[in-house]
Amino acid sequence: GAGVSQSPSNKVTEKGKDVELRCDPISGHTALYWYRQSLGQGLEFLIYFQGNSAPDKSGLPSDRFSAERTGGSVSTLTIQRTQQEDSAVYLCASNSGGAAGELFFGEGSRLTVL
Amino acid sequence: SQQGEEDPQALSIQEGENATMNCSYKTSINNLQWYRQNSGRGLVHLILIRSNEREKHSGRLRVTLDTSKKSSSLLITASRAADTASYFCATDGSGGGADGLTFGKGTHLIIQP
Repeated sequence: GAGVSQSPSNKVTEKGKDVELRCDPISGHTALYWYRQSLGQGLEFLIYFQGNSAPDKSGLPSDRFSAERTGGSVSTLTIQRTQQEDSAVYLCASNSGGAAGELFFGEGSRLTVL
Repeated sequence: SQQGEEDPQALSIQEGENATMNCSYKTSINNLQWYRQNSGRGLVHLILIRSNEREKHSGRLRVTLDTSKKSSSLLITASRAADTASYFCATDGSGGGADGLTFGKGTHLIIQP
């Protein structure tokens, strides 16, 4: 597609449920990033993929969070046993040259945990 | 931890005035970027300035970088109501691409018509 696509755009779930958030980066972009943005806050780095591998997973807030990327394209961020503090907007970005260059962001997935 | 910190946190000015936002950071950088975020939307890249550059222009935007003070400023001239948004500075981490860009908490800019 023309831009980074994220789905769902909005997700409301009950505490304790698992959720999956999807990111479809710009075609040809080898680098993919996940960020979390809480209300009125800046962006918290979660994880970075170069191709299918994630060199650094230390930004993930807890072991309830996991992410994968297959085929060097689509990525899924999974949150297990969601908690209310997981409520935030999850933003995905991609680029072709790593953090040295401009990031192209999707519109985000707004997660609300009741 | 936050690498970039913007100030002010919020800024309200009249249409036509200039808006200046500042960003301070803590460690060495390769480049610094500014992004804009409209309410409920993703971030859009505005401008990138490299560590060996001191000033850069793009349309009504002017960015300065002072590596000795570890600070940058974003100036929007002749502001318009459509410039109302949050503005974030972002720096590349010491780990290169592996830890992504580090963003500040942003400056919320309101342009009064």
